[in-house]
Amino acid sequence: DGGITQSPKYLFRKEGQNVTLSCEQNLNHDAMYWYRQDPGQGLRLIYYSQIVNDFQKGDIAEGYSVSREKKESFPLTVTSAQKNPTAFYLCASSKTPVATEAFFGQGTRLTVV
Amino acid sequence: QQQVKQSPQSLIVQKGGISIINCAYENTAFDYFPWYQQFPGKGPALLIAIRPDVSEKKEGRFTISFNKSAKQFSLHIMDSQPGDSATYFCAASREGGATNKLIFGTGTLLAVQP
Repeated sequence: DGGITQSPKYLFRKEGQNVTLSCEQNLNHDAMYWYRQDPGQGLRLIYYSQIVNDFQKGDIAEGYSVSREKKESFPLTVTSAQKNPTAFYLCASSKTPVATEAFFGQGTRLTVV
Repeated sequence: QQQVKQSPQSLIVQKGGISIINCAYENTAFDYFPWYQQFPGKGPALLIAIRPDVSEKKEGRFTISFNKSAKQFSLHIMDSQPGDSATYFCAASREGGATNKLIFGTGTLLAVQP
């Protein structure tokens, strides 16, 4: 089945530690996105990538980093600089950077303990 | 200008009733308006979308009404069912832009009571 796979589903991190969230897609989509979801705030864009080896900051990029070394993979690292990292993280992709439909993964819930 | 305002934040509807969720936008360059449905613990999925060249789009029990002059659009769920209980997000984007950056509303938690 084609789709977007995020792992792990649940992640616990101690304060001060970096953690990497995985996102893999087998849809052959060019563009990939990371969103953060908090109650009452909708989905906010962290980073996006239009093509391999290229990525752009979204609206709330501070404290996060990404890489796009392969077309199918777009991992997100939540660094210790992110002041409030506990959230639900969603990865998405679209066929091209200007394609209208975004396909989402199942999400990773990160909790800082 | 980039915001999409969504209301209500939560909604309780009886089975068989009509659920209505409203969104408003400021940026007149937006030309694609999708609605996403999200079940607990899952990622959002595209439900229905509209472009400004039509005022209404219907797919089964789901209808989008679009008012270009008022810069508003709404989702109507007819004959609401308990299985429709989910969070609904409206969004907007500009198809002619360099990237399709979707701007999302804050979401509406819908509960359909049996």
